[in-house]
Amino acid sequence: NAGVTQTPKFRILKIGQSMTLQCAQDMNHNYMYWYRQDPGMGLKLIYYSVGAGITDKGEVPNGYNVSRSTTEDFPLRLELAAPSQTSVYFCASSYNLGSEQYFGPGTRLTVT
Amino acid sequence: KQEVTQIPAALSVPEGENLVLNCSFTDSAIYNLQWFRQDPGKGLTSLLLIQSSQREQTSGRLNASLDKSSGRSTLYIAASQPGDSATYLCAAYIHASGGSYIPTFGRGTSLIVHP
Repeated sequence: NAGVTQTPKFRILKIGQSMTLQCAQDMNHNYMYWYRQDPGMGLKLIYYSVGAGITDKGEVPNGYNVSRSTTEDFPLRLELAAPSQTSVYFCASSYNLGSEQYFGPGTRLTVT
Repeated sequence: KQEVTQIPAALSVPEGENLVLNCSFTDSAIYNLQWFRQDPGKGLTSLLLIQSSQREQTSGRLNASLDKSSGRSTLYIAASQPGDSATYLCAAYIHASGGSYIPTFGRGTSLIVHP
């Protein structure tokens, strides 16, 4: 199993541009999460999904959108990128609520 | 607003010491609590998961305890080694307004174990 994969690893965006961060898992997990991590801070939950077709907002959803059309994929869309979105983004998955989370390697995004 | 706090923020110890990392949370009605390790520039690796009905979990030199009534969890690392150097984060699954439980992370404890 590849586990949780994320692409790209690094990206630089100009203010106002849009992009999609890709996340995929091959463990048949129901739950998937998107987090952002700023320097010296813990992880903040952006969006999560409890299964295909079902998504919900986390603590910091503004400026982001998600979709979950399949069990495997959970892309995160940034519209109109802003410098405040400069961060490291992590995707994670778990089999069900509260079970062990598995993380991807992260995407380092810079908005200038 | 539910909060998860980790103390200390940073810790530097000589090899061989036994360590205690603390995690506190404001909502005692958590679903479960998970401890992670993060190496610089990497993703998170799960260390231990404690269900709300459990008091502790052990894996090798690691032991995590959970006291929901006091809103605390501790991660005990026995006989620390330089390879234990990393940031340790805890995440409590806290009840959200939509009825589900969502993971809320502390800021982490940065640990350095020197030879």
